[in-house]
Amino acid sequence: DAGITQSPRYKITETGRQVTLMCHQTWSHSYMFWYRQDLGHGLRLIYYSAAADITDKGEVPDGYVVSRSKTENFPLTLESATRSQTSVYFCASSHGGQPQHFGDGTRLSIL
Amino acid sequence: SQQGEEDPQALSIQEGENATMNCSYKTSINNLQWYRQNSGRGLVHLILIRSNEREKHSGRLRVTLDTSKKSSSLLITASRAADTASYFCATDVGAGGGADGLTFGKGTHLIIQP
Repeated sequence: DAGITQSPRYKITETGRQVTLMCHQTWSHSYMFWYRQDLGHGLRLIYYSAAADITDKGEVPDGYVVSRSKTENFPLTLESATRSQTSVYFCASSHGGQPQHFGDGTRLSIL
Repeated sequence: SQQGEEDPQALSIQEGENATMNCSYKTSINNLQWYRQNSGRGLVHLILIRSNEREKHSGRLRVTLDTSKKSSSLLITASRAADTASYFCATDVGAGGGADGLTFGKGTHLIIQP
């Protein structure tokens, strides 16, 4: 089915570990985004990508790494997880200035 | 930094009533969008209004934009239980025409009582 899927849906890990959140879209959208959602902050942009091999920092990029070797995939890596990165992470995609389509999120807990 | 701020933070009304949510923002925008989020799910786009538009309708939704006051409102008419969700305004302020992400408010949690 066409859409945007995130995996895993839930993840528990420990501080200091590396964890990668996956995002896959089937629309061939050029633009992809990663947000985190925390109580009291709404959604905040972590990284975005305009095309394969083009990525840029958003509002809160520290501690995160992204890559985009293929148009349809946009993985987000926490290189050394910290408790402050416990959050719900959303991936989104769009055609440039068009509205964004969101996945159902990954709920990440870091102990 | 938070661009948009929704008001109220929470709203509870009876089914059939109208629900109004407001959003204020700080800087000039290209467009303003409203999204809905059901519990445990991702955000779903509802409506987009451009900076040169003042009002837009989509089904039971009516959005207004006042750029002089840097504010927008979302009206949901004849509410239904299925409208229970959180509603977010999001602004596109970048030079990339939305390609460099949106800035979201903290949301209004709407509860429709049967």
